[in-house]
Amino acid sequence: GQNIDQPTEMTATEGAIVQINCTYQTSGFNGLFWYQQHAGEAPTFLSYNVLDGLEEKGRFSSFLSRSKGYSYLLLKELQMKDSASYLCAVRDSNYQLIWGAGTKLIIKP
Amino acid sequence: DTEVTQTPKHLVMGMTNKKSLKCEQHMGHRAMYWYKQKAKKPPELMFVYSYEKLSINESVPSRFSPECPNSSLLNLHLHALQPEDSALYLCASSQEGPGRGSNQPQHFGDGTRLSIL
Repeated sequence: GQNIDQPTEMTATEGAIVQINCTYQTSGFNGLFWYQQHAGEAPTFLSYNVLDGLEEKGRFSSFLSRSKGYSYLLLKELQMKDSASYLCAVRDSNYQLIWGAGTKLIIKP
Repeated sequence: DTEVTQTPKHLVMGMTNKKSLKCEQHMGHRAMYWYKQKAKKPPELMFVYSYEKLSINESVPSRFSPECPNSSLLNLHLHALQPEDSALYLCASSQEGPGRGSNQPQHFGDGTRLSIL
């Protein structure tokens, strides 16, 4: 079966750094996406990885290791507005997106 | 604000009603998607249209009927829904459809929050 695992919830402090992990077992791999979703709003695209390594985009970075079936999203200089759910999604061999259940990130002052 | 526009934002309907959800994008994307999302769950894919043709139907009950009048518009017709169909319905679009090896992400609309009485 296809499976994507993320922690259910994480808490971090404003100004700090947090790493949200995602592990996956899918039938094939054609890229991994990270989305941010605030409560009651649409998911917003954050990053895409298809090759091993780190992709940096401002305060957000995403890492991929295909051999380990592992990715993480790194958020630096946390702000209160970063409180949201972060969804990991893998595109499988049929180019369909398989979604993780999401990680709810709570930022405290 | 997103570049994918969904209407209405909220919809309350009875189980015998017929209603439609609408989605519009003007980014020139050739693939459009309908998702259903329950609270604290990830989006569940319902339908995919690629180049205005239905390419994926994820075994969705026939009380949900998609329609793609043109490359910019996607509708979801609702009839005889059940209370368990209450959810956030998300429309998304991407530059290319499944199978084309694109790295382009899906862009989501703000969704329609549907409540079935």
